[in-house]
Amino acid sequence: DTAVSQTPKYLVTQMGNDKSIKCEQNLGHDTMYWYKQDSKKFLKIMFSYNNKELIINETVPNRFSPKSPDKAHLNLHINSLELGDSAVYFCASSQKSSGKGSEAFFGQGTRLTVV
Amino acid sequence: GQNIDQPTEMTATEGAIVQINCTYQTSGFNGLFWYQQHAGEAPTFLSYNVLDGLEEKGRFSSFLSRSKGYSYLLLKELQMKDSASYLCAVSGGSYIPTFGRGTSLIVHP
Repeated sequence: DTAVSQTPKYLVTQMGNDKSIKCEQNLGHDTMYWYKQDSKKFLKIMFSYNNKELIINETVPNRFSPKSPDKAHLNLHINSLELGDSAVYFCASSQKSSGKGSEAFFGQGTRLTVV
Repeated sequence: GQNIDQPTEMTATEGAIVQINCTYQTSGFNGLFWYQQHAGEAPTFLSYNVLDGLEEKGRFSSFLSRSKGYSYLLLKELQMKDSASYLCAVSGGSYIPTFGRGTSLIVHP
């Protein structure tokens, strides 16, 4: 069983479209995250979600919005896609939000290409 | 804000020992993580340090000095499969980890 799974693995779409990436974890973790990894492999936090508390990286455009229907899911919605949104997006989860046990378990990534 | 610095690339020989350094500046400190990421794959957790000193886990060890804002990851008995990117991440006052740009390690025979 995959611990953190995200779909789709690859997503190619046109500029201006709206798309969603789904993420599910079966680890019973309390905290989930979305990360963006650009072409230079720099991994940047976008959102952290813990017990309905959302922490947003202030540099993330408001075209990006996380949606959590329950503790095991954190989906990412992106509106009006731009070329610069092309990247690999990783979902992750951790048992705790801080301290020992806060190490992240990552999904396999979604490679988004905007054309 | 947080600033994390690690070398961009390192090379080493199979069977050798390599040390990957990470220096950081952060407001508040709640732990430092090391992750391994093979090309085209997701990062996987290697180690966590919150107190000063050395944590050993098999062939991998991680060291932390909070007063110096410094950590290193030590890899012993290098194997070809250790060729990967090694990411240092610091959890600061907000508890949200910030990642460094990663060190690409190339192990050659």
